[in-house]
Amino acid sequence: AQRVTQPEKLLSVFKGAPVELKCNYSYSGSPELFWYVQYSRQRLQLLLRHISRESIKGFTADLNKGETSFHLKKPFAQEEDSAMYYCALRERDDKIIFGKGTRLHILP
Amino acid sequence: DSGVTQTPKHLITATGQRVTLRCSPRSGDLSVYWYQQSLDQGLQFLIQYYNGEERAKGNILERFSAQQFPDLHSELNLSSLELGDSALYFCASSASGRGDYNEQFFGPGTRLTVL
Repeated sequence: AQRVTQPEKLLSVFKGAPVELKCNYSYSGSPELFWYVQYSRQRLQLLLRHISRESIKGFTADLNKGETSFHLKKPFAQEEDSAMYYCALRERDDKIIFGKGTRLHILP
Repeated sequence: DSGVTQTPKHLITATGQRVTLRCSPRSGDLSVYWYQQSLDQGLQFLIQYYNGEERAKGNILERFSAQQFPDLHSELNLSSLELGDSALYFCASSASGRGDYNEQFFGPGTRLTVL
């Protein structure tokens, strides 16, 4: 059973508009969640962790245990945000389960 | 390059064959992770090694095996290859394998095409 769900394969947003990439998870216990990003012709890299509660490149993500969600948000999209975004869940034994990813396309 | 390296970049082979993918972790990292990325399945965790020992196992087929050597590089062996094994195989490394999460750093991947 899939434990991390990213319902949108592709999300197109105009530059300057708000962005929300959805992620839902299923996990018993306290989850540890991440967002990874892959820019064109670059390696997959960590964007942010829910534990650190930080904002990276203007992106934030809040863990909502009631809704089992960890949506990634940015108030004003920039063209350089165009990339593939993966939500990921760390299991107790250090396995990382990735969602299938959402391609974010920022329109000029 | 002090990051994660993977060889080869591309590999084209035939069904039934066996291939070996190689990964060198970042300097000082003890953990190596292997992932398979295919169009329909997304990024799937295969296996993790920590300092030479298998630490965690994911959806790795019996036809696949991996090991981590004393110098900490790792190899992923894929045998009796099928068309469906065509995918991008990523390696990642992290400083340690348990406890507080250590960020995983990904390699560029090896694209395997099975004809």
